[in-house]
Amino acid sequence: DTEVTQTPKHLVMGMTNKKSLKCEQHMGHRAMYWYKQKAKKPPELMFVYSYEKLSINESVPSRFSPECPNSSLLNLHLHALQPEDSALYLCASSHAGSNEQYFGPGTRLTVT
Amino acid sequence: AQTVTQSQPEMSVQEAETVTLSCTYDTSENNYYLFWYKQPPSRQMILVIRQEAYKQQNATENRFSVNFQKAAKSFSLKISDSQLGDTAMYFCAFMIGGTSYGKLTFGQGTILTVHP
Repeated sequence: DTEVTQTPKHLVMGMTNKKSLKCEQHMGHRAMYWYKQKAKKPPELMFVYSYEKLSINESVPSRFSPECPNSSLLNLHLHALQPEDSALYLCASSHAGSNEQYFGPGTRLTVT
Repeated sequence: AQTVTQSQPEMSVQEAETVTLSCTYDTSENNYYLFWYKQPPSRQMILVIRQEAYKQQNATENRFSVNFQKAAKSFSLKISDSQLGDTAMYFCAFMIGGTSYGKLTFGQGTILTVHP
């Protein structure tokens, strides 16, 4: 299994809603990542988890809250988002110490 | 800090022809990796090719090859025998080596269109 899965594929939420994005991999990877990507722009790193511990937070606003409950699962909890947070949210994973990241298909988020 | 620059926002090529995408980077690190990622329209990002900075030999993967010029900090991607399925946004990316997790620094991307 060389796949990173993300759910849901699409999400529309209001600014007062609370929702969560989910990412899963069963490749035994111990590093997992959240990226935000605007249209026709490169992905921007948000968070990195290494061995289920938050290793990097790229000064992301607190309305985004990551969680890594186990080595296969990564969540991104969303609360009180702004319309400018609308984007494609990508999850990726890699073996610890590896340079190859495997990307999921992303969740397209629209904040109304 | 590392920077990656792709100076060609868009390029086009005829099917079966060859195209080269440019990338330059800036770093003071000696141990690093360079990548080309492909993101087709509405599809997920996949790794096309990777180059270790300590290797002098240019990486190749089937129709994809790189021209790695370490002194010039240049890392171009050549696609031979272009196919319609090569239509995608291509990102050049940099990663420092020797860490337990890899932080990728991406260039701005080049949109490649392959015409029949």
